[in-house]
Amino acid sequence: GDSVTQMEGPVTLSEEAFLTINCTYTATGYPSLFWYVQYPGEGLQLLLKATKADDKGSNKGFEATYRKETTSFHLEKGSVQVSDSAVYFCALGLYGGSQGNLIFGKGTKLSVKP
Amino acid sequence: DAMVIQNPRYQVTQFGKPVTLSCSQTLNHNVMYWYQQKSSQAPKLLFHYYDKDFNNEADTPDNFQSRRPNTSFCFLDIRSPGLGDAAMYLCATSRDHESDEQFFGPGTRLTVL
Repeated sequence: GDSVTQMEGPVTLSEEAFLTINCTYTATGYPSLFWYVQYPGEGLQLLLKATKADDKGSNKGFEATYRKETTSFHLEKGSVQVSDSAVYFCALGLYGGSQGNLIFGKGTKLSVKP
Repeated sequence: DAMVIQNPRYQVTQFGKPVTLSCSQTLNHNVMYWYQQKSSQAPKLLFHYYDKDFNNEADTPDNFQSRRPNTSFCFLDIRSPGLGDAAMYLCATSRDHESDEQFFGPGTRLTVL
């Protein structure tokens, strides 16, 4: 079945360090791919998305490229800040017909130390 | 600002006592979703409404029900909460099934005593 696998955390980095959170997926059809972020005590916010192969999503210094050949959508940021501390979820979306739901990975908790 | 609102943010109930969680949206979206998120786990879809059409996930327990009286509101009813139902419940909306973005509310954290 369709699924998302992302690297387990927690990930602890110092401020200004480089971040990579790996995400791979299994899907039939042509899913859209997403990264959502969840700050403590809050709901999920869409961070970025890509809807087809080779698309790059970007927002707030974060980037991820939809790689169909490796079925991956790794999240990267060149220089993290303390305010980036949160849980990050990779997700795939299958749309159309009676579908329209997201399948999430288990989440990766990121802690950034000053 | 258009948004998804969930009330209450924190709900405490007793084992076996029915509880209702509320979600409202000002986005005028056709689709509304309910997810269950247990501690340190991914959100899991319980069911969704496309307009008035209810779509239940195959593994959602019968203990969970939902109502959507109009476009703006959707309710999650837990008929007899067990200790295992303690979780964060997330409501989300999307414009339609072809829309590739869901908008989430802040969630309701349910505690079962």
